[in-house]
Amino acid sequence: GDSVTQMEGPVTLSEEAFLTINCTYTATGYPSLFWYVQYPGEGLQLLLKATKADDKGSNKGFEATYRKETTSFHLEKGSVQVSDSAVYFCALSDTGRRALTFGSGTRLQVQP
Amino acid sequence: DAGVIQSPRHEVTEMGQEVTLRCKPISGHNSLFWYRQTMMRGLELLIYFNNNVPIDDSGMPEDRFSAKMPNASFSTLKIQPSEPRDSAVYFCASSLTAAGYEQYFGPGTRLTVT
Repeated sequence: GDSVTQMEGPVTLSEEAFLTINCTYTATGYPSLFWYVQYPGEGLQLLLKATKADDKGSNKGFEATYRKETTSFHLEKGSVQVSDSAVYFCALSDTGRRALTFGSGTRLQVQP
Repeated sequence: DAGVIQSPRHEVTEMGQEVTLRCKPISGHNSLFWYRQTMMRGLELLIYFNNNVPIDDSGMPEDRFSAKMPNASFSTLKIQPSEPRDSAVYFCASSLTAAGYEQYFGPGTRLTVT
């Protein structure tokens, strides 16, 4: 079956540091890939997505590239802010299946 | 533009009681999903509907759980009888088939069963 593996958290960074959160996946088909963000007490918000190999999703300074050869979709940001503190979820939607399969989430804490 | 609306936001009930969670999807969306989030198991799909029809309910834990979507603007998730292990945050999400696979989540219902 499908699965998503994310790096364990929490990740603690100082403001303006570079962020990488690793995500790898297994899928039976050709999935679409997503990053969602969850702020405390809120639902998940779509951060970015990519639907085919070598696509780069980007939003609010975050980027992730769909790497089919390494089955990865790592999240990056060049300079994090305190307001980026949240839990980040990598997810996939496999061919013919609309539901999302989520990773376990990575908590990011950014200190001023 | 209103997002996905869920009610109640918080529910505290005693073991054995019936619990009903409600969801209003984004207008025009034709797919609706119910997820459960716990510390131990993370985010799990319970069931999803397409055009009001249940498509995949393989994630529904057991017969105590049931979900309905009587029309395009309303869905319920019912637990009867509730048990302490049902304590979790329950999310509803909706999506528009033609726009791809991204889903829009509601704020969630935090359920506590004592």
